[in-house]
Amino acid sequence: DTGVSQDPRHKITKRGQNVTFRCDPISEHNRLYWYRQTLGQGPEFLTYFQNEAQLEKSRLLSDRFSAERPKGSFSTLEIQRTEQGDSAMYLCASSPDGFSGNTIYFGEGSWLTVV
Amino acid sequence: AQSVTQLGSHVSVSEGALVLLRCNYSSSVPPYLFWYVQYPNQGLQLLLKYTTGATLVKGINGFEAEFKKSETSFHLTKPSAHMSDAAEYFCAVSLTGGGNKLTFGTGTQLKVEL
Repeated sequence: DTGVSQDPRHKITKRGQNVTFRCDPISEHNRLYWYRQTLGQGPEFLTYFQNEAQLEKSRLLSDRFSAERPKGSFSTLEIQRTEQGDSAMYLCASSPDGFSGNTIYFGEGSWLTVV
Repeated sequence: AQSVTQLGSHVSVSEGALVLLRCNYSSSVPPYLFWYVQYPNQGLQLLLKYTTGATLVKGINGFEAEFKKSETSFHLTKPSAHMSDAAEYFCAVSLTGGGNKLTFGTGTQLKVEL
């Protein structure tokens, strides 16, 4: 199976620590997205890349959050100085290009618990 | 800006009964509409989508949805529920020129009882 893969699947960290999540999109997909999902809510858009270029960032993405996609392949999402409010599932997704009718394929998510 | 409203955060049906999950959207331009399913501790899987053409869309696992522009709705149905349909269902919208960025509803948890 060559779907979207995310690592780690679960992360427990102490408040104030930094965490990094990795996402490997479907091969040859140019678009890569990050979403955040909290309990009882739908996923919320954070940011997306077209190849290596980060094209849009949500207001949800505070200065403590940074995302990269070097070489237009895998992506990382780093959260610095974590807070309890950062506890959520971070979903990565990819699509072939930016056509708005394209299917977006999601990974299984990375659960973050900040204690 | 676009938005999605899913009426009923929890829906319970008997096995074999009709499933109806409601979704209404607001959009200033013609939308693309999606239904995703999420099983516990997993990511989202596409059930079906509407882009253009036929307004009745068939998806996986026997689900279908009908785009009704006049009602700004995209309700999801399945004639006969199965225990394996128990999951959370999300309706989502993306807009032309919006960068294929999805806006999701808050989800409906479907419970299937014997």
